[in-house]
Amino acid sequence: GQQLNQSPQSMFIQEGEDVSMNCTSSSIFNTWLWYKQDPGEGPVLLIALYKAGELTSNGRLTAQFGITRKDSFLNISASIPSDVGIYFCAGNNNNDMRFGAGTRLTVKP
Amino acid sequence: NAGVTQTPKFRVLKTGQSMTLLCAQDMNHEYMYWYRQDPGMGLRLIHYSVGEGTTAKGEVPDGYNVSRLKKQNFLLGLESAAPSQTSVYFCATRGSSTDTQYFGPGTRLTVL
Repeated sequence: GQQLNQSPQSMFIQEGEDVSMNCTSSSIFNTWLWYKQDPGEGPVLLIALYKAGELTSNGRLTAQFGITRKDSFLNISASIPSDVGIYFCAGNNNNDMRFGAGTRLTVKP
Repeated sequence: NAGVTQTPKFRVLKTGQSMTLLCAQDMNHEYMYWYRQDPGMGLRLIHYSVGEGTTAKGEVPDGYNVSRLKKQNFLLGLESAAPSQTSVYFCATRGSSTDTQYFGPGTRLTVL
């Protein structure tokens, strides 16, 4: 089956630093999405990408859909304590959505 | 407008017991999904539904059954629970014109 490799697994950063995480796949996806999950809650969509090469921003978040359609990255600029959580990438083909294992972000004040 | 709700929030079962998890949505979405999330892993799709009366298998369907008798509800059943089914189960929905899935708060299931 389609596997998504997400890295890094975890990050410990200082408040104000920028963060970058990425996701790669051996398969092509039509859509890439980035979700954030807080403890005890379901994932919440941050950014959705629909075209190869697309670069999309949502506030301090920026994500790109790789040209090969097999990868995506998410950047968070000027991190703040509430950015703490687990970030998941997801690749979607119709109703078959596959998730990465997540990047656990810790932000130290 | 509650969005996506899941009941129960927590449940402990003994091996061999059965139970049904309920997902309800008030967003009039066509598509509904059941995922499981295990430690250190992303979510994996169990079953999904593209509309009332229809269901389909996802990545890890074995040991589960689903039903979508009403558009707003998607039920996930475990006929004979096994310890390997200990997990957090998430329901999600999406409208027909978007790839965006909206997730419920999850059900934490432990099978002893």
